[in-house]
Amino acid sequence: DTEVTQTPKHLVMGMTNKKSLKCEQHMGHRAMYWYKQKAKKPPELMFVYSYEKLSINESVPSRFSPECPNSSLLNLHLHALQPEDSALYLCASSQGSLQAFFGQGTRLTVV
Amino acid sequence: GESVGLHLPTLSVQEGDNSIINCAYSNSASDYFIWYKQESGKGPQFIIDIRSNMDKRQGQRVTVLLNKTVKHLSLQIAATQPGDSAVYFCAEKYSGGGADGLTFGKGTHLIIQP
Repeated sequence: DTEVTQTPKHLVMGMTNKKSLKCEQHMGHRAMYWYKQKAKKPPELMFVYSYEKLSINESVPSRFSPECPNSSLLNLHLHALQPEDSALYLCASSQGSLQAFFGQGTRLTVV
Repeated sequence: GESVGLHLPTLSVQEGDNSIINCAYSNSASDYFIWYKQESGKGPQFIIDIRSNMDKRQGQRVTVLLNKTVKHLSLQIAATQPGDSAVYFCAEKYSGGGADGLTFGKGTHLIIQP
C-alpha cells in the first residue's frame, strides 16, 4: 500500500466555521507533512511532523492547527479562515529524509 | 523565497518526440532532488529522484540529469505520450536535515500535441 488518503476531497466553509482535514497512511512512514498549493503555483510547506511530534511550522497562522493523533493519521483543524486561504491542501508522508508520497489533496473553498 | 526553479511555464511537444524539462536550484547544500508529475485535480506523483553523488539516473522512459557545477537539473521524457500531459515540478532538499520537507520549483506545464 503506497497510498496517502485525504478526506474530504472538496470542502466549502464559511469564515466562521470550524472544520478539519484528515490524512491517513499505512506505509509505516514516520514523517508526515501538510502543504498548501494555490492555483498554478507549486506546493508550499506548512507543517512537518516527525515521529508524531511537530518539528516544523513554516510561520503558518494560528487559524491552521495541525494534529498527529498517531503515526498513521494527520489532521489539519481549520477555524476562522479567510477567502485567501482557499487552496488545495496536500498531505504527504515519507520514510526518513527521502521522497514524499502525496495524497490527492482537499480542495478548500472559503466563502 | 524559492530556492528552486527555472521558470518555463509551458512546453509543447509533438506526441512521440522527446521532452526535456529544466530546473535550476540555488541552495548549494541541497543533495537530494525529485521530479514530480501533477495532473489536473490530483496530488503530485513521484517520477524519479537523484542524489547529489550521481549525475544521471534512468527510469522507465525518464532520465534525470544533475549538473552540480551549474546547479541544474533536467528531466528527459522519451517518446512522449498523451498521458504525459501534466505540470512537472522539481523539488529539492538537504537530506541531512531529516524530515525537513521539500522546496518546489515553479513548475512546467507539458502539453502533448497529437
